[in-house]
Order: sequence, then structure tokens, then C-alpha cells
Amino acid sequence: GAGVSQSPSNKVTEKGKDVELRCDPISGHTALYWYRQSLGQGLEFLIYFQGNSAPDKSGLPSDRFSAERTGGSVSTLTIQRTQQEDSAVYLCASGLSGANVLTFGAGSRLTVL
Amino acid sequence: GENVEQHPSTLSVQEGDSAVIKCTYSDSASNYFPWYKQELGKGPQLIIDIRSNVGEKKDQRIAVTLNKTAKHFSLHITETQPEDSAVYFCAASPLSGGYNKLIFGAGTRLAVHP
Repeated sequence: GAGVSQSPSNKVTEKGKDVELRCDPISGHTALYWYRQSLGQGLEFLIYFQGNSAPDKSGLPSDRFSAERTGGSVSTLTIQRTQQEDSAVYLCASGLSGANVLTFGAGSRLTVL
Repeated sequence: GENVEQHPSTLSVQEGDSAVIKCTYSDSASNYFPWYKQELGKGPQLIIDIRSNVGEKKDQRIAVTLNKTAKHFSLHITETQPEDSAVYFCAASPLSGGYNKLIFGAGTRLAVHP
């Protein structure tokens, strides 16, 4: 598509439930990133995928967070047993390998009650 | 790992004035420094970037300067307009053939008053 697409745009869930957030990167972009943006805060790196290489998961805050990227395209970020502190906007970005210019999606706003 | 600090956290200017946002980074291996603008309800969008082999880059009303010795870089916006109001993020990254992880500053909320 023309840009990075994320869904859902808004998700409200109850504490303890699992959630899945989806990212469709720009076609042909081999690099895909997930960032988290808490209210009024900066962008916190979560995970990075590059082609067929092992992902860099160093930013995932706990083992409740996981992500996968199927077929080198669509990525899903899964948060298990959600907590209130997980409430944030989750941003996905994609880019060409080595170019480092990232195109961000509009984000998925997660609210955990 | 890389750590990026950004100042100020908020900035208020009158239309037509200049705005300056400053960032410092910790990892001397970083050699790519982009600036992103985030409007309300949208994802950040790249507005300008600079690589370590140059000290300054301009694009119309915006410019970025880089001091590698001091490990700081700045965004300059001249003749500000109300549509410049947004949150601006700086970032730093080592630029290599493979893995490129951008580390962002905490952001600056710029308000331009008519």
C-alpha cells in the first residue's frame, strides 16, 4: 500500500486479557520496527525485524510481549495478560534495509482498564 | 547503548519567530541523525536528517546542525507558522549496511501562536 497500515486504531481491553496489534508495512520494506509511546512521552524501542535475520527483541519490556513477522511482511505484536501500564500508543514503522528512513503508521492506541 | 536527550520539552513562540530544539547523544558510533514531526493523532514523519559527514543541512525553513565532537545536534525552524505546531523528535543511530536501530529523544512540543 501507499503507507504503513496499523489495526486496530483503538483498542480498549480489560486487565488480564490478551491483545494483538497488526502492522502492514510498505511493500518492499524489509525493515520493520515496533515502538511504544506512552502519554506525553517519547518513542520507546520495542523490537526490530530485518529480512530473515533474527529479530532484535532487546526493547520488549517483559515476557508478556512478543511479536512475529510472517513472510517478511505483516507483523503482529501480542501482549498477554495486559496490565494498566501497557496503556500507550503502539507505533509500527518500516524502512528499506540500510537506508534508515522510517515511515510510521498512525499507531494503535491501547487502553487497559 | 545509545541515549538521546532532547531539550526543551515544550517551546512556545510567536508566528514569524525562530525555534531551536537541541539534542545530545551518547554513542560516538552514531552517525545518522533524523528529525521527525508528529501531528496530533498521526505517526511521526521524517522532516530532515543529517549524516555525520556534514555539519549542516538546510531545507527551506528548516535546518539541522551537527557537532560530532560535542555529540550534539540541533533543529532550527525559521519564520515559524501555526502549522509548524507539533511534537518534534530527534533520533540517533549507527548507520551500517544491516541493522539500524533509531533511538529517539523524549520530544519537544512546539506551539506557534498567531
